[in-house]
Amino acid sequence: AQSVTQPDIHITVSEGASLELRCNYSYGATPYLFWYVQSPGQGLQLLLKYFSGDTLVQGIKGFEAEFKRSQSSFNLRKPSVHWSDAAEYFCAVGAGYSTLTFGKGTMLLVSP
Amino acid sequence: DVKVTQSSRYLVKRTGEKVFLECVQDMDHENMFWYRQDPGLGLRLIYFSYDVKMKEKGDIPEGYSVSREKKERFSLILESASTNQTSMYLCASSPSDTPVNQPQHFGDGTRLSIL
Repeated sequence: AQSVTQPDIHITVSEGASLELRCNYSYGATPYLFWYVQSPGQGLQLLLKYFSGDTLVQGIKGFEAEFKRSQSSFNLRKPSVHWSDAAEYFCAVGAGYSTLTFGKGTMLLVSP
Repeated sequence: DVKVTQSSRYLVKRTGEKVFLECVQDMDHENMFWYRQDPGLGLRLIYFSYDVKMKEKGDIPEGYSVSREKKERFSLILESASTNQTSMYLCASSPSDTPVNQPQHFGDGTRLSIL
C-alpha cells in the first residue's frame, strides 16, 4: 500500500527566508504526487502536481517542487516566504481509483 | 471554477443521533470523496463514490455510511454518532475521464462536535 511521510510537524521560517518542506512517499509504480495547502478554517487548495516529465514542477503562489525518484521524495520549496504563506501543507500520492493518500501535514509558521 | 459546497461549517450533535453531512459540487464530476481530518493524523478517506448509487469504502469506513442519489450530491451519514466522531469532515470531487492525475477539489469543511 502507498504511504506518505512528512517528517516535520511544525516549521518556523522568518519572513523573506527560503522554505523547504519535506515529503517522502512509498508507492510501487510511477507516482502521481501533489502538494496542497490549507489555510485556517478552509478546505485544501492544490499548489502543484507531478505526473511525469520534468522533475521540477512549478505551482501557484511561487511554489515549486522537485521529484527525486532515487530518494522517493517530492520536496516543496519557495525562495522567499511571505507572512500569508503561514498554513498547513499536505503532500499526497495518487493511487487506485482516483484516490489519494495524504501525509499528516506540516504546519508552517512565519515569524516577522 | 469548481465549487464544492458543504452544507454546514459547524455542527453540534448529541451522542446517538443520526447525523447527515451534505456535499454538493457544480462541475459534473463523477468522483466524490469524504475525508475526516484530525490533528496529527492528516486526512483519512472514509468513503468515495465514482458514480451515482456507487460507493467504495476508504480507509476508515466504520461507523459511517454514504448516499449518492444524484451526481452532484454526496451525503455522509453517521448512523449513531459517538464522541470519537468529533472531527473536521472534508468533501472533495474530481472528474474521472482521465486517470488519477486529475486533482481533487475540496469544500471548506464541516467541523462536527458530538457531545
